[in-house]
Amino acid sequence: DSGVTQTPKHLITATGQRVTLRCSPRSGDLSVYWYQQSLDQGLQFLIQYYNGEERAKGNILERFSAQQFPDLHSELNLSSLELGDSALYFCASSVVQAGGYTFGSGTRLTVV
Amino acid sequence: QQPVQSPQAVILREGEDAVINCSSSKALYSVHWYRQKHGEAPVFLMILLKGGEQKGHDKISASFNEKKQQSSLYLTASQLSYSGTYFCGTARIQGAQKLVFGQGTRLTINP
Repeated sequence: DSGVTQTPKHLITATGQRVTLRCSPRSGDLSVYWYQQSLDQGLQFLIQYYNGEERAKGNILERFSAQQFPDLHSELNLSSLELGDSALYFCASSVVQAGGYTFGSGTRLTVV
Repeated sequence: QQPVQSPQAVILREGEDAVINCSSSKALYSVHWYRQKHGEAPVFLMILLKGGEQKGHDKISASFNEKKQQSSLYLTASQLSYSGTYFCGTARIQGAQKLVFGQGTRLTINP
């Protein structure tokens, strides 16, 4: 157990639907990062939050949004889902922005 | 902006050594190394900071050439457990908000 908790582990949904992925960072970590990993691909940065504030955005689609709550957990919302959104979505956290990341076990999203 | 890793894949016998490289066209502040086994989360191995400060793993070493903006990960006397895909992640400034990851190097260790 890395200390970063992601739920659900697996999600199967239909095109056009909306889903919410949840991440609880490791205790004490203020930074939360979301990454997308498509089949056999690298890790694509989506968005980062630090202590409740958005700090950086990657090539995140307008259909995707995220937030970090006062208790530091974060949610990634994916709407109007398309087949191409099928991927592993990882959340990671770190103590400081220059520290190593601790990744959660990921949510595998399948859009059918 | 994405760092380039080489080689893309390597196959070794147990006990052999491997070097994985990560190059950037931009000046870097830090380079991170992670290992990911199939279907699992990436696991942090090591971070190298501009100026030479290094943090990480006892059995794995790495270097960071600031002039070339290149980092190399050294795996010596490889074990079966070293198999997986290795990713480097780079940050261009101190306190950078995000890491940009390379495309990965798949390492296979055979008995």
